[in-house]
Amino acid sequence: EDQVTQSPEALRLQEGESSSLNCSYTVSGLRGLFWYRQDPGKGPEFLFTLYSAGEEKEKERLKATLTKKESFLHITAPKPEDSATYLCAVQVSGAGSYQLTFGKGTKLSVIP
Amino acid sequence: KAGVTQTPRYLIKTRGQQVTLSCSPISGHRSVSWYQQTPGQGLQFLFEYFSETQRNKGNFPGRFSGRQFSNSRSEMNVSTLELGDSALYLCASSLGEGVLFSGANVLTFGAGSRLTVL
Repeated sequence: EDQVTQSPEALRLQEGESSSLNCSYTVSGLRGLFWYRQDPGKGPEFLFTLYSAGEEKEKERLKATLTKKESFLHITAPKPEDSATYLCAVQVSGAGSYQLTFGKGTKLSVIP
Repeated sequence: KAGVTQTPRYLIKTRGQQVTLSCSPISGHRSVSWYQQTPGQGLQFLFEYFSETQRNKGNFPGRFSGRQFSNSRSEMNVSTLELGDSALYLCASSLGEGVLFSGANVLTFGAGSRLTVL
């Protein structure tokens, strides 16, 4: 069974204090690993897709990396507007479907 | 271009009633998926449609059903509502097929329909 575990569940950072969120996964065959951001009352907003170990992607203060067992979302010098829940999800290859299996998320709070 | 549109945004029902939720995908997207989000279970996959055919189904009871129309719009229905069906129901669309790395497999989510069952 495909599993995705995110840690920590919640994280409070001071503005400018860099940190990383972890996503560990167990799948039969990985097509892609996805990171989404979700604000309260809204749907998840796509951030990145990673396809193979060693791949990295960056967007503003966010950088996502991927190994064969886990992914990290690094947040550099965060701002209060980065406060949100960050969701990690995996998509399995060979299934003929684009189903995503999600972790429970990390709720990030950035304090001014 | 317009994003994924879900209606209604909020609704309140009582136990035993049924509900129909609607989703309009991004123009050109042929795949629509539905997810249930609750505080305890997080996001859970309900079903996926591509070109009017159900391509995959999650582990939910038969009370949950869906369909997709020829214009790619989709509806999901929940019959005989239970208190535990209270959740945010999210619709996501994607191209549905295409070369890997092309972004065809990226799901774009709508804002969701918040269902409260009393």
